[in-house]
Amino acid sequence: DTEVTQTPKHLVMGMTNKKSLKCEQHMGHRAMYWYKQKAKKPPELMFVYSYEKLSINESVPSRFSPECPNSSLLNLHLHALQPEDSALYLCASSQVGGAGYTFGSGTRLTVV
Amino acid sequence: DAKTTQPTSMDCAEGRAANLPCNHSTISGNEYVYWYRQIHSQGPQYIIHGLKNNETNEMASLIITEDRKSSTLILPHATLRDTAVYYCIALRPSNTGKLIFGQGTTLQVKP
Repeated sequence: DTEVTQTPKHLVMGMTNKKSLKCEQHMGHRAMYWYKQKAKKPPELMFVYSYEKLSINESVPSRFSPECPNSSLLNLHLHALQPEDSALYLCASSQVGGAGYTFGSGTRLTVV
Repeated sequence: DAKTTQPTSMDCAEGRAANLPCNHSTISGNEYVYWYRQIHSQGPQYIIHGLKNNETNEMASLIITEDRKSSTLILPHATLRDTAVYYCIALRPSNTGKLIFGQGTTLQVKP
């Protein structure tokens, strides 16, 4: 299996909702990442997990809460989002210290 | 990690070679050059990387100048499916390394 699977592919949520994005990989990668991408902009790094521990938080607002329950799964919990948080959320994985990342196809999030 | 500079956009005729330049004049000796591409509405895709020597794989070739201050990604026979944003990234692999994307080059392959 050489894929990163993200679910759901599309999500519409209200500003008072709580939702979660899920990411799964079975390549044995021990580093996992969340990126946010606005239209016509490059992906922006949000969080890095290394060996299931959060190693980098790029000053992301607390309404985004990452979780890595095991070496294959990465979640992003969303709460009280704003319309400007609407974006494509990308998950990626790699070997720790490697830069050959494998990306998922993303979850397109719309906050209404 | 060193900053990279790429042209904003390029066109290429289908079937011809696409040569995408990248400037990384401040690259340090242990930084690799990585290339990724992102086809519309998909996640970025790893293409190739190199340190000093030229590299080739089934997708592309990477030519790095001897002084390592610039490089060129070559798609030998571009197809319409190669239309994408191409990102050149200089990165020192480490346990705290993070892949940071610049603006990239939008390559339009035309029939």
